[in-house]
Amino acid sequence: AQSVSQHNHHVILSEAASLELGCNYSYGGTVNLFWYVQYPGQHLQLLLKYFSGDPLVKGIKGFEAEFIKSKFSFNLRKPSVQWSDTAEYFCAVTTNAGKSTFGDGTTLTVKP
Amino acid sequence: GAGVSQTPSNKVTEKGKYVELRCDPISGHTALYWYRQSLGQGPEFLIYFQGTGAADDSGLPNDRFFAVRPEGSVSTLKIQRTERGDSAVYLCASKRGGGEGEQFFGPGTRLTVL
Repeated sequence: AQSVSQHNHHVILSEAASLELGCNYSYGGTVNLFWYVQYPGQHLQLLLKYFSGDPLVKGIKGFEAEFIKSKFSFNLRKPSVQWSDTAEYFCAVTTNAGKSTFGDGTTLTVKP
Repeated sequence: GAGVSQTPSNKVTEKGKYVELRCDPISGHTALYWYRQSLGQGPEFLIYFQGTGAADDSGLPNDRFFAVRPEGSVSTLKIQRTERGDSAVYLCASKRGGGEGEQFFGPGTRLTVL
């Protein structure tokens, strides 16, 4: 069975600080990796995804993530956060058979 | 085009009652997912449809939960003999095809079992 672990439950940063959110997964086969974001009062939306190829993927709003296969990790980064990045962030893996597993999420609070 | 819609947005019911939650996916999306999200947790996989058939229903917690997608479009999640522990936000997502691809999420149905 697959599982996803997000290391930080709540992160508080000041504007312009750098962000890194950890995500590790457990699964023996090929997976597709995703980061989703949920802004206050809105529903989940895709930030970025990795299927194959370049392990460094870039998403919307300046976010990027790096897939490190040997570490089963897919950490999310942003060099300089903004107040508008305040949201909940979810890492997810989907197998080629279609089953999806999400982490428990990290709440990011950015202080203006 | 329209996104994924879910109805109702809120449902309050009493313990032991039967409820149906509806999901309208994006037109043309063949894959449809149901998740349950409790406070402080990520979406928990329940079931995945590819077309009309359930490709993976391993996440359904017990036989009180059932989902259908008879025409490969709209799906209904059915919960019999509801329990207080069923209270959660039920999310639906659709995707263009199987395997790779982004899931598009609906706003969810908040179910409260009194």
